[in-house]
Amino acid sequence: EAGVAQSPRYKIIEKRQSVAFWCNPISGHATLYWYQQILGQGPKLLIQFQNNGVVDDSQLPKDRFSAERLKGVDSTLKIQPAKLEDSAVYLCASSPTDARYGYTFGSGTRLTVV
Amino acid sequence: GNSVTQMEGPVTLSEEAFLTINCTYTATGYPSLFWYVQYPGEGLQLLLKATKADDKGSNKGFEATYRKETTSFHLEKGSVQVSDSAVYFCALRLNTNAGKSTFGDGTTLTVKP
Repeated sequence: EAGVAQSPRYKIIEKRQSVAFWCNPISGHATLYWYQQILGQGPKLLIQFQNNGVVDDSQLPKDRFSAERLKGVDSTLKIQPAKLEDSAVYLCASSPTDARYGYTFGSGTRLTVV
Repeated sequence: GNSVTQMEGPVTLSEEAFLTINCTYTATGYPSLFWYVQYPGEGLQLLLKATKADDKGSNKGFEATYRKETTSFHLEKGSVQVSDSAVYFCALRLNTNAGKSTFGDGTTLTVKP
């Protein structure tokens, strides 16, 4: 099966600029996640969707981050305005809802804010 | 709350050495347990899983057994290769809370020839 597609792979922006990331999950996976991974750390959940509804966005800095999942398929994550501390890898993952299944991750987008 | 504690790294081994990476968890309920591997510049990949007590997950020579009595899921491999150098993450997932996972902080493994 096709994997989770993410784009772009790399992005360099100046602070206070905006940026958007795109994710196409595995077909049929109801649940989609966006994670932030800072170098040397484990992934930190930003937002979780089930179909096109938000299940958990408690860790999303809503003053600057936003995300949507249109029609329960593709998703975009936006940062506006970016700060230096947003430099990280942004990982998208999808899975069936059943907890016996693991996640399938995309390759991630490496964001550098200068 | 739910949490996963992994053995701190980095771990450095010689090729063909035995590997153990410890993982213990705390969960409200009966989780499924997972090991993920992350190679440099890539996303996480599911390595193996176990969904109930005493299950053994295995893949690519790696094994881990779900020990409910000790709340552990230690990763083992009998003979590591240079290509196993990566970061390994232990994780749990519950059916509650829409199946959100909790990840450990990762253990970096370097295997030297």
